[in-house]
Amino acid sequence: GQQLNQSPQSMFIQEGEDVSMNCTSSSIFNTWLWYKQDPGEGPVLLIALYKAGELTSNGRLTAQFGITRKDSFLNISASIPSDVGIYFCAGREAAQGGSEKLVFGKGMKLTVNP
Amino acid sequence: DGGITQSPKYLFRKEGQNVTLSCEQNLNHDAMYWYRQDPGQGLRLIYYSQIVNDFQKGDIAEGYSVSREKKESFPLTVTSAQKNPTAFYLCASIPGGKANYGYTFGSGTRLTVV
Repeated sequence: GQQLNQSPQSMFIQEGEDVSMNCTSSSIFNTWLWYKQDPGEGPVLLIALYKAGELTSNGRLTAQFGITRKDSFLNISASIPSDVGIYFCAGREAAQGGSEKLVFGKGMKLTVNP
Repeated sequence: DGGITQSPKYLFRKEGQNVTLSCEQNLNHDAMYWYRQDPGQGLRLIYYSQIVNDFQKGDIAEGYSVSREKKESFPLTVTSAQKNPTAFYLCASIPGGKANYGYTFGSGTRLTVV
């Protein structure tokens, strides 16, 4: 099955810095989602995007649904130590027919140095 | 509070044994999913079920089996045929059978073969 191309795979930043990550696909998506996973826990939904070009914020997080419908990015501003974790992109393909399932990226591991 | 409960949190299996991972949800969600997570691999779909008494194979179903006798429950059995079962297993569900709402995940079960 398809897996999304998520980059970078990891980042080491200083507290207070901004961080950006993106996700691309080979097919058109009608939904893009961004999740965060803390160590030993399940992923938690951060932001959901449903329309090409849509820009959505959730606190210090901002995400965009790419115009081509084949990509999305997530930006975290003014990072803090609790931002540490793995960030996943996920999406629903526009042409997946009757099966309702998401495709995931491999994740971006974020480390924040205080 | 509504949510997804996975048990046990940690599970140890001897070579050649079958083990069953529990997943229960009280969210009244229609569809449920099982994912396997390995370091650097992201989330890979094992099985999913969109309605009671029906389920479909995901991308890595070999060596696993599931049942969906009740809407609330979707147990996963890791059989002795699964050659490399050590991993973190995540159960998820969605409301209304629509993946674009985003999955709600359980807190995971870490399975280790000893």
